Amino acid sequence: QVQLQESGPGLVKPSETVSLTCTVSGGSLSGYYWSWIRQPPGKGLEWIGYIYDSGSTNYSPSLKIRVTISGDTSKNQLSLKLRSVTAADTAVYYCARVQMGWFDSWGQGSLVTVSS
Amino acid sequence: QSVLTQPPSVSGAPGQRVTISCAGSNSNIGAGYDVHWYQQLPGTAPKLLIYGNNNRPSGVPDRFSGSKSGTSASLAITGLQAEDETDYYCQSFDSRLSGYVFGTGTTVTVL
Repeated sequence: QVQLQESGPGLVKPSETVSLTCTVSGGSLSGYYWSWIRQPPGKGLEWIGYIYDSGSTNYSPSLKIRVTISGDTSKNQLSLKLRSVTAADTAVYYCARVQMGWFDSWGQGSLVTVSS
Repeated sequence: QSVLTQPPSVSGAPGQRVTISCAGSNSNIGAGYDVHWYQQLPGTAPKLLIYGNNNRPSGVPDRFSGSKSGTSASLAITGLQAEDETDYYCQSFDSRLSGYVFGTGTTVTVL
């Protein structure tokens, strides 16, 4: 059973870049799509983007200009970088494996708070 | 901004049947993309409940079922139990946005 674990800074200042890592265990990055999804406190889920096999990427149009998703197959890790953050980017950030269009495995989430 | 619309809340007595609707458009559900459903307990990550419109992963009770018609989909919970009181989200793919989309979310309350 694949397991995902997010890690991040917790607190980030406005205008800075937040970097998150997702470590995958019990399975390989290769051959799958992997996504980042976020959820502001008390609100719904928002898809951020995906990466395939640590190569090709696709991002939500609303975040595309500020987001980069990358992968390191040697470490079995995904990463998310979100630039120029504001308070609106405060959320729990999840990584998830994509299985034929649905998200079958999720990490426990990493809370990112944007505040000065 | 969600492109799939769900009712904010639905409620029912224990043992009753409730349904949650998920309204989309011709660029997502109506375009033939599958609908998937997730259950999210407080403080935890979403859990896959239904995939491919009407399929249950191993371990999901058969009280949960999904359907899809036209530009919308539904999740039904029969024999409602206290443990079903939580949040539910639908999800699909949108060709106009070229990405995955989630519903607005529905909170189920067991009376």
